[in-house]
Amino acid sequence: GAGVSQTPSNKVTEKGKYVELRCDPISGHTALYWYRQSLGQGPEFLIYFQGTGAADDSGLPNDRFFAVRPEGSVSTLKIQRTERGDSAVYLCASSKDRNQPQHFGDGTRLSIL
Amino acid sequence: AQSVTQLDSHVSVSEGTPVLLRCNYSSSYSPSLFWYVQHPNKGLQLLLKYTSAATLVKGINGFEAEFKKSETSFHLTKPSAHMSDAAEYFCVVSNPSGTYKYIFGTGTRLKVLA
Repeated sequence: GAGVSQTPSNKVTEKGKYVELRCDPISGHTALYWYRQSLGQGPEFLIYFQGTGAADDSGLPNDRFFAVRPEGSVSTLKIQRTERGDSAVYLCASSKDRNQPQHFGDGTRLSIL
Repeated sequence: AQSVTQLDSHVSVSEGTPVLLRCNYSSSYSPSLFWYVQHPNKGLQLLLKYTSAATLVKGINGFEAEFKKSETSFHLTKPSAHMSDAAEYFCVVSNPSGTYKYIFGTGTRLKVLA
């Protein structure tokens, strides 16, 4: 079946702009995660959704970052007033429930000029 | 607190020779451990997982890993490297009874020489 889908695959924008990154999880997966991968590093946890609610947002770096999952399926990661340090690959993952292995999308490469 | 240390940032092997990628973990709980592979510009693909059943875990593409609690290690091995194995490999720890978020190592880039 279809895997985790992330759009866009690449996003280039100017410092200070607002961006939205979209994640479409595997159908039926109730758990959804966002990670951020900086160059040469392993991914770092940002936020976890169980259904529609953010069960853990402890990894969000500051209040410029926000994520939603209004219907328990598609999720959007939103970044306000982007900074050059936000440049990274943003990865989305989903799993049947939180105790099952996570399946990752190909990521969105975000570049802030 | 949980953490993962991947001892080698780069490993080079010749095609047809064994692969060893080293991982040590730290966890206050009985951990779940995973190995993921990432090919260039691609997402992460699960190779194998350890969840407190058998200590020797077999994964896809001929990879396997052994959980050694006494050494807090979870090294990844393959008897014979193939050119298509060239990629970045990540060791991951998670606490199955509480948190669900993955803690990743910094990765090991595997190069396979013809």
